[in-house]
Amino acid sequence: DTEVTQTPKHLVMGMTNKKSLKCEQHMGHRAMYWYKQKAKKPPELMFVYSYEKLSINESVPSRFSPECPNSSLLNLHLHALQPEDSALYLCASSQVGGEAEAFFGQGTRLTVV
Amino acid sequence: QKEVEQNSGPLSVPEGAIASLNCTYSDRVSQSFFWYRQYSGKSPELIMSIYSNGDKEDGRFTAQLNKASQYVSLLIRDSQPSDSATYLCAVNGNAGNMLTFGGGTRLMVKP
Repeated sequence: DTEVTQTPKHLVMGMTNKKSLKCEQHMGHRAMYWYKQKAKKPPELMFVYSYEKLSINESVPSRFSPECPNSSLLNLHLHALQPEDSALYLCASSQVGGEAEAFFGQGTRLTVV
Repeated sequence: QKEVEQNSGPLSVPEGAIASLNCTYSDRVSQSFFWYRQYSGKSPELIMSIYSNGDKEDGRFTAQLNKASQYVSLLIRDSQPSDSATYLCAVNGNAGNMLTFGGGTRLMVKP
């Protein structure tokens, strides 16, 4: 089973709203990631969690707040976003280690209005 | 300077032909290399991984790695219209667990 599940699939939020994106995997992976992808661009790494601890933060603005409650779940809390934050947000998971294959969820299409 | 480079395309090939997709990377200590396929509006799907110099074959797909030249390629034999997608090259560097993607190559397979 190589499934990573993201909810919701689509989200429209106002600039004053607070919302959360959720990601779940049951592959026993101990590394989980958030990527952001704009149209016709490659995925850009935002955060990496290894063993439920934040290991990489790619200088992401504080209006994006990640959380890893346990080894299967990853959340991304959103607050006071800007219209330019509208994008496809992708969650991925893998084993820890340089040769690990990463598997992506189906993504959340976020629109900020 | 981009760390992973791909020709953006589109690369157009006729059905049944071999499609050749190329990728170069700048970090000499990169350990592992991946090819993802992404259909429009969908998420990336892993199709090949390669870790050592040489060729690796899986069905119609062959990945090739040349670390001395810092070059990775993907060959798709007997291309089908359903192969039309953007192909993303990804590299995992020395730090591990930090995939860096190339810009992707859009492949169009014409019936």
